[in-house]
Amino acid sequence: GQQVMQIPQYQHVQEGEDFTTYCNSSTTLSNIQWYKQRPGGHPVFLIQLVKSGEVKKQKRLTFQFGEAKKNSSLHITATQTTDVGTYFCAEGAGNMLTFGGGTRLMVKP
Amino acid sequence: GAVVSQHPSWVICKSGTSVKIECRSLDFQATTMFWYRQFPKQSLMLMATSNEGSKATYEQGVEKDKFLINHASLTLSTLTVTSAHPEDSSFYICSARDVKRPTGSGANVLTFGAGSRLTVL
Repeated sequence: GQQVMQIPQYQHVQEGEDFTTYCNSSTTLSNIQWYKQRPGGHPVFLIQLVKSGEVKKQKRLTFQFGEAKKNSSLHITATQTTDVGTYFCAEGAGNMLTFGGGTRLMVKP
Repeated sequence: GAVVSQHPSWVICKSGTSVKIECRSLDFQATTMFWYRQFPKQSLMLMATSNEGSKATYEQGVEKDKFLINHASLTLSTLTVTSAHPEDSSFYICSARDVKRPTGSGANVLTFGAGSRLTVL
């Protein structure tokens, strides 16, 4: 499957600061999905982006899909301790998903 | 929404024994289920695709004789780790897609089970 690179691997922020994680691919992505995995938990679907340049918002979370459909980002405004976890992007081609390496977010209260 | 139940949530076994993990789609049918393995602080790696009524498709490097997959019905897939060794200790997660989900409104979106944490002593 396609290689989806995700950065940064880890991010420590102070509560209230913003946070962004990026996914990049060398080839065009058919779509991009974002999942959140809390410590000790399982991945939970957040959103899917399909269209070039698409931007979607969920409260403090903003998801973007690049114009060339080769990159995506997840931005969290004013992080809270409940945002702690690992955020994965994933590309769904056909019937399966290929996950990025994930960005582990830690929030200091 | 779609719910996937995975059992057991954790298991400890002795080296050389076999462990079976079940994955059930509770309120939808899944002709295909996926088995992932996740080592600590790492991403999810697809092990195999479980197909109802036929053989599973294994990813490169995954031993099919060691990780036996059975998908006997539209709502149940099982993963059996045979002759488990300490290096098999990991978090195993299954997932499934609701085949009736309309295309374009979340197609390919997976619902994950809660995972099974296997520790082999």
